[in-house]
Amino acid sequence: DSGVTQTPKHLITATGQRVTLRCSPRSGDLSVYWYQQSLDQGLQFLIQYYNGEERAKGNILERFSAQQFPDLHSELNLSSLELGDSALYFCASSAPFGGTGKNTIYFGEGSWLTVV
Amino acid sequence: AQTVTQSQPEMSVQEAETVTLSCTYDTSENNYYLFWYKQPPSRQMILVIRQEAYKQQNATENRFSVNFQKAAKSFSLKISDSQLGDTAMYFCAFRTSQAGTALIFGKGTTLSVSS
Repeated sequence: DSGVTQTPKHLITATGQRVTLRCSPRSGDLSVYWYQQSLDQGLQFLIQYYNGEERAKGNILERFSAQQFPDLHSELNLSSLELGDSALYFCASSAPFGGTGKNTIYFGEGSWLTVV
Repeated sequence: AQTVTQSQPEMSVQEAETVTLSCTYDTSENNYYLFWYKQPPSRQMILVIRQEAYKQQNATENRFSVNFQKAAKSFSLKISDSQLGDTAMYFCAFRTSQAGTALIFGKGTTLSVSS
């Protein structure tokens, strides 16, 4: 158990709909990262938050957005869903640099999204 | 921009044998971190081993060890005494030393261990 919690674990929804994926980072971690992994794709970095502020953006579509709340949990919002958005979405977290964890990023178990 | 390349899409090995997975990366940074993650069929991402670039000594975790060649920008993973449970996709990943930067992943190597 990495300590990173993601909900829901599985989600099936129709095209055009909107969903929200939730992530609770490990206790004490300030950084949250979102990654997308499609069936035959590697891990694509979407976006990163640090202590409530957006830190870096990767290949995140305009239909997608995220935020990190004061309690440090994060949500990834996916709207106007298309069949190609079906993927495994990972949340990950890391400790502040200089803290414990040797700068390692720990992953949650992922949220499986199926768009039909 | 940093990149990570895994040139072996698939590999197979017999139980108890040793296998080496290759990874090269490109960066202009001097301080950074390298990782190998394992993704079994359950799709969970599991940290296998990590290496700090400023350390010359290669990291070791039980049956897993790395060969870190900083000048060559190479970071290979050696799995000794392979077990059936090692069957998984293995991802090499890079992270700079700047605070809070994301991991950059290679495309992965699928390892199959057979009896």
